[in-house]
Amino acid sequence: KAGVTQTPRYLIKTRGQQVTLSCSPISGHRSVSWYQQTPGQGLQFLFEYFSETQRNKGNFPGRFSGRQFSNSRSEMNVSTLELGDSALYLCASSSRAGLTGNTIYFGEGSWLTVV
Amino acid sequence: GESVGLHLPTLSVQEGDNSIINCAYSNSASDYFIWYKQESGKGPQFIIDIRSNMDKRQGQRVTVLLNKTVKHLSLQIAATQPGDSAVYFCAENISSGGSQGNLIFGKGTKLSVKP
Repeated sequence: KAGVTQTPRYLIKTRGQQVTLSCSPISGHRSVSWYQQTPGQGLQFLFEYFSETQRNKGNFPGRFSGRQFSNSRSEMNVSTLELGDSALYLCASSSRAGLTGNTIYFGEGSWLTVV
Repeated sequence: GESVGLHLPTLSVQEGDNSIINCAYSNSASDYFIWYKQESGKGPQFIIDIRSNMDKRQGQRVTVLLNKTVKHLSLQIAATQPGDSAVYFCAENISSGGSQGNLIFGKGTKLSVKP
């Protein structure tokens, strides 16, 4: 079956703009998490959604937000972009939230460059 | 592809040798651990996982060892191949709060396989 799909793969935005990234989880997976990856900070957890509800949130400013739809697809939004938001944004999905040991699969990511 | 891992510890091995990648995790409450492989320009790829009630788990050519006493995790790759060249991340999960999508990642180790 298809893996985690993220769109767009690459995008360039200007400071002050906003961006929306999309993620389609593996079919049947209801938990979606988002991560930011940068050379300096590595992989950092942004937030997790399950059944359209945010289950957990990382230590990021309110400019970073997300949502999940009834079909488990998820979007994340970053408003008022800053140069430091340039990163690879990764989406991950798993079958269930609330239980450890469910394998978490990542998509290929969306490369965001802010100029 | 672009690199998201700069200034990483590097392990250089000869093709056919065994590789051992080490990771110190941060929280004694972590109860689930995963190793991911990330190739340039791609998202993290699941390799193997282990729960805290185990100290060893084997997969195909890979073995994960968990030492909870010293909070140490290792990934052993047998008969390392050029295709194993990548950045390897360990990740830990704390199930408190019912969130299993919140993975805490290590900084990563770059494995370079010499033919």
